[in-house]
Amino acid sequence: GQQLNQSPQSMFIQEGEDVSMNCTSSSIFNTWLWYKQDPGEGPVLLIALYKAGELTSNGRLTAQFGITRKDSFLNISASIPSDVGIYFCAGLADRGSTLGRLYFGRGTQLTVWP
Amino acid sequence: DAGITQSPRHKVTETGTPVTLRCHQTENHRYMYWYRQDPGHGLRLIHYSYGVKDTDKGEVSDGYSVSRSKTEDFLLTLESATSSQTSVYFCAISAVGVYEQYFGPGTRLTVT
Repeated sequence: GQQLNQSPQSMFIQEGEDVSMNCTSSSIFNTWLWYKQDPGEGPVLLIALYKAGELTSNGRLTAQFGITRKDSFLNISASIPSDVGIYFCAGLADRGSTLGRLYFGRGTQLTVWP
Repeated sequence: DAGITQSPRHKVTETGTPVTLRCHQTENHRYMYWYRQDPGHGLRLIHYSYGVKDTDKGEVSDGYSVSRSKTEDFLLTLESATSSQTSVYFCAISAVGVYEQYFGPGTRLTVT
């Protein structure tokens, strides 16, 4: 299957700091999605990206679809305690198919110190 | 929040017993998926469905079967549970032409 490399695996930051994480693939993807998962819950979709070079924001979150189509980045500005959780990237290789087969990164565990 | 429920939310069972997990959606979405989540592996696709009675295998389908007799329900069955199937199982849904998947709350399964 497709391999997505997500980094860093974990981050420990102080409240108010900015956060950056990224996801890379050996294959080209046509769609990138970013999810957040809180303990004991399912992943929640944060941002969807559909075009190479696209930059999309959702509040303090900004994500970019890399120009090469093999990577994506997520930035969180001015972190707050409720940002704590695991962030996953997911990529879709074949948008032309009737079914979206997503491949997931292994996640970035974010801890925010008050 | 997408209308997705999973039942049971927690289950402990013994090796060799059959187990069925249920996913129910109220969104009338065509596509439904079962994933398992394990430390160090992230989310991996078990089976998916692209319509009533239309299902196919994902990357980790061995030991699992699925059924979809109604649009709203997608069942995952472990015919004979093994300890390696201890995991958290998530159901997801997506609509036709939309590549975003929405996840249920998960079922934590422990096989002793």
